[in-house]
Formats: sequence, structure tokens, C-alpha cells
Amino acid sequence: GENVEQHPSTLSVQEGDSAVIKCTYSDSASNYFPWYKQELGKRPQLIIDIRSNVGEKKDQRIAVTLNKTAKHFSLHITETQPEDSAVYFCAALRGNYQLIWGAGTKLIIKP
Amino acid sequence: GAGVSQSPRYKVAKRGQDVALRCDPISGHVSLFWYQQALGQGPEFLTYFQNEAQLDKSGLPSDRFFAERPEGSVSTLKIQRTQQEDSAVYLCASSTRLERGEKLFFGSGTQLSVL
Repeated sequence: GENVEQHPSTLSVQEGDSAVIKCTYSDSASNYFPWYKQELGKRPQLIIDIRSNVGEKKDQRIAVTLNKTAKHFSLHITETQPEDSAVYFCAALRGNYQLIWGAGTKLIIKP
Repeated sequence: GAGVSQSPRYKVAKRGQDVALRCDPISGHVSLFWYQQALGQGPEFLTYFQNEAQLDKSGLPSDRFFAERPEGSVSTLKIQRTQQEDSAVYLCASSTRLERGEKLFFGSGTQLSVL
């Protein structure tokens, strides 16, 4: 079955620097890859997603890249701000409905 | 409503008690999911509904867990004879069609504590 590995588990960056979180997946048939941000005690919120027919997608300071051959995708956050501090989860769609989740990355933005 | 609504927000139960958790999805969303999230971990799939049909319940941990969505909108997750290991946040999420590029939206969750 599908397996999604995410790293690092914790990432600490200086405010203003960039942060990169990487995920790998095992099922070559997966075609949808969302990223969710979850602040402590709150719901996961979709921040960006990408489908397999696209290699890169950008939304202001956030971008996602996908390498289908290598079966990995990455989240890039530029010019990090304190409000970016949260846990970030990647996921890969298996079949028509089941999202397989990474274990999460705790992003800490140091002032 | 504007988003996925879950109630109660917090639930404390004594071991052995039955609990019922409610999810009100976004209007018109065909797909509804229940996830369990332990502290510091990602969401774990429990079950999936398409309208009123429960198409996948493979993630339910035991037969003490039961979910329903009788009219294809509101869903209830019931846990019978709760155990301490059931303590977690239970998240509900809804979508139109994930496989067609639609998004999955989460509720705020119910934090269940079994004492």
C-alpha cells in the first residue's frame, strides 16, 4: 500500500529565511498531493496542493514541487514569519479518496 | 454553513461510557471522512462515506466504533464502552470529489479524554 515519509520531523529556521520540508511516497499511481498546516489545538488547514500533471505550484510565499520520477514532493516557504510556526503535514491520495499522511514536521521560526 | 462543524469540542468520558460525536459537513459535500489524531501525530483514517453509503470502514480500530450518515449529510461517530486508548482528537472532514481535484476541509475536531 501507499506509504508517505516526511522529514525533517522538526525544523528550526531564522525569521526571514526559507524552510523546506520533503516527502516521499511509494505508490506511483498517486496523483494528488496536498499540504496542511496545523496550529496547536486547531484544525488542519489546506495551504497548497499539487496534482501529478504539474511540476510546481506557487502561492505567494509558499510553493510545492513534485518529482514524479523520484516520487517525492516538497514544500517551500520563503521569507518565513512567526505566524508560519506550526506543524505541517504532507499527504498523497491513494485511489479515489484515501489520503495517506506523513508524520508531520514541526516548524519553528526563531525571531 | 461556512465550514465543517463538529460537536462537542471537548468530551470527557469515564471508562466504559458510550460517547457520540457529531459532524456537520459543508453543504453539498458528498464525501465525509472521520480521522483519529493522537497527540503529535498525523491524522489516521477511520472511515469514509459517500453520501449515506459507508464505503470504507477499514480504519475503525474495533467493533466498539460505529459511524453513520443516514441522510447523507450529518454524521455521527459512536464509541461504545470507551477505553483510555480511545483518548484522541477525532476529526471530521468533507469534500466534493477528491479524485477530481477538489479539496478536503476539516472540522475543528472533538477532543475525547477517557478517564
